[in-house]
This record gives sequence, C-alpha cells and structure tokens, in this order.
Amino acid sequence: IAGITQAPTSQILAAGRRMTLRCTQDMRHNAMYWYRQDLGLGLRLIHYSNTAGTTGKGEVPDGYSVSRANTDDFPLTLASAVPSQTSVYFCASSDSGQGTTDGYTFGSGTRLTVV
Amino acid sequence: GQNIDQPTEMTATEGAIVQINCTYQTSGFNGLFWYQQHAGEAPTFLSYNVLDGLEEKGRFSSFLSRSKGYSYLLLKELQMKDSASYLCAALDSNYQLIWGAGTKLIIKP
Repeated sequence: IAGITQAPTSQILAAGRRMTLRCTQDMRHNAMYWYRQDLGLGLRLIHYSNTAGTTGKGEVPDGYSVSRANTDDFPLTLASAVPSQTSVYFCASSDSGQGTTDGYTFGSGTRLTVV
Repeated sequence: GQNIDQPTEMTATEGAIVQINCTYQTSGFNGLFWYQQHAGEAPTFLSYNVLDGLEEKGRFSSFLSRSKGYSYLLLKELQMKDSASYLCAALDSNYQLIWGAGTKLIIKP
C-alpha cells in the first residue's frame, strides 16, 4: 500500500538520550516534512525538505535535526531529548513542495514521551 | 502575526448539517485547506480553496471568502464516522502552511 511509514509507533525516552524517528515514503514525492502536534495547538513544522539533498528549518527546529540522503527517507533526530519534546510527531510528503495544492499525505505518527 | 481561529469543539446530531468556521490572518494568501483527523490517526486531506465561493464534494463542501479572511466546512447528512477533528490550514505568501488547532466534532445519535 502506497504511503508513508513511520517508526516507532510510540516510545518512552529518558531525558538526555538521543533518538531518531524514522519516516519512509514509497510515492516518490519530492517534498517531505516533519510536524509536531500538541494538544490545543496546531501542527507545527519542525523541518522540511523540498527535494533529496536539501533541508530547511520550520517554525520549531531547535533540538531537532534531519537529513535527506534519498527521495524515500527523511529521519528526524533528537540529539538530547528534553521533556518539552513530548509530543506526537507526524511525517508528511507532497508531490510538488510546500506550494502544493494537492494536499499532504501524512504518516500515522509517532507518540513520544520524554521522562 | 499569522493566526488561524476555529472553534475548539462542536456537537451535532446524526443526519443533521454542521458548519465549521475558520478565520485566518496570514502574510499573503495562497489558498486554504481542510483536513480530517480521527483520534489517534493521521490527518487526511479534504479540500483546497483558493478562489471565492463554494466547492462541493459529496457530503462535504468548503467555502472561501478572501476579502473576509473566512472559510467554512459544511458537512451534510452527518454520520457517526464523521466524529473527528477538522483542521483548517492557510498557505501564506511564502507557501508555508499555517495550521489551526482543529475543531473536535462530536456526533450524537
């Protein structure tokens, strides 16, 4: 089934630990995004990539890093997790970049709890 | 600053009609999206409007007024499966998506 796969589904992480959230898509979409979703707030963009080999910072990039070595994969790394990074993380993709009018395809999310 | 406002929660009855409003303030505007998100699941795309007026897709319709910075999502013949959060998002002049916090829609039998 074409779409986006995120792993893990959920994770409890000790503060200070390093963690990589994985995201893989099989739709050959050019653009990929990482969002966090917190109760009472809208989705907030962490980082994005318009095409393989390029990345950019979103609204809330601090404490996170990404890489885009190929079209399909877009991992998100927390170098040293803090409790404020407790959230649900969604990976998304689109065929034509942030200006797309086709809508984004979202993964099923990773629920991360930092203790 | 940029802002999207939508009601936090709404309740409606199965078989009825409900309208979910969204107002936006963005630096420039390149269109407005509506997404549906069931609890614990990913958002899914419902509609995109860039021109004024009503766009109909089956039981769901979306309206846009650019001069008023206003949109609504209209859901007809409500079904229990329509219980979900509905997210409004505006595309600004830099083609960044600005998201509202979502409206939780509760459908009662």
